[in-house]
Amino acid sequence: EPEVTQTPSHQVTQMGQEVILRCVPISNHLYFYWYRQILGQKVEFLVSFYNNEISEKSEIFDDQFSVERPDGSNFTLKIRSTKLEDSAMYFCASSKRQGLNTEAFFGQGTRLTVV
Amino acid sequence: TQLLEQSPQFLSIQEGENLTVYCNSSSVFSSLQWYRQEPGEGPVLLVTVVTGGEVKKLKRLTFQFGDARKDSSLHITAAQPGDTGLYLCAGAYTSGSRLTFGEGTQLTVNP
Repeated sequence: EPEVTQTPSHQVTQMGQEVILRCVPISNHLYFYWYRQILGQKVEFLVSFYNNEISEKSEIFDDQFSVERPDGSNFTLKIRSTKLEDSAMYFCASSKRQGLNTEAFFGQGTRLTVV
Repeated sequence: TQLLEQSPQFLSIQEGENLTVYCNSSSVFSSLQWYRQEPGEGPVLLVTVVTGGEVKKLKRLTFQFGDARKDSSLHITAAQPGDTGLYLCAGAYTSGSRLTFGEGTQLTVNP
């Protein structure tokens, strides 16, 4: 069964360093998302991406964050200068279509720990 | 800020019992998904409901979407220990495609 895959599963980085989280969405999906979940809190939307551009972003997704689809398969989230409060599980998701009946399929997540 | 409230937050029951989890909002959803999440893993999609009043069944799980599309419920019949997990509802509002998640209901089914 097709699935969203994320690498690495766990990333430890020092505060101020740049990190890139990688995702391979389901192959015939057109919409891509990043969500995060701080330990013990609910899943929060970061950004959605369609047709090689950001379609929507939350207030969390500030100038320190960027997304890119560098080739036909990968979808990345970059955090330029990590802060302690960026420590969280980051989930990539993809869906075939947007709007009504948005079924998003999630990856296993990358646990980011900023020290 | 659009909020989606789930209740109860925690539920511990014995194997064989029935249970219902609720998801409520003051806003209208265009669609609503139910997910199940295991510790350290991503949410796994269980079902999507779109039409007001819609009922969907997945084995012992019954999902209902309220007539006004502001609320939903998940009913589990004859719960089993394998049903243990965090159940999340997530709504997509008419204004965009982002999913707004509830806090989740942590279900524990004891043998």
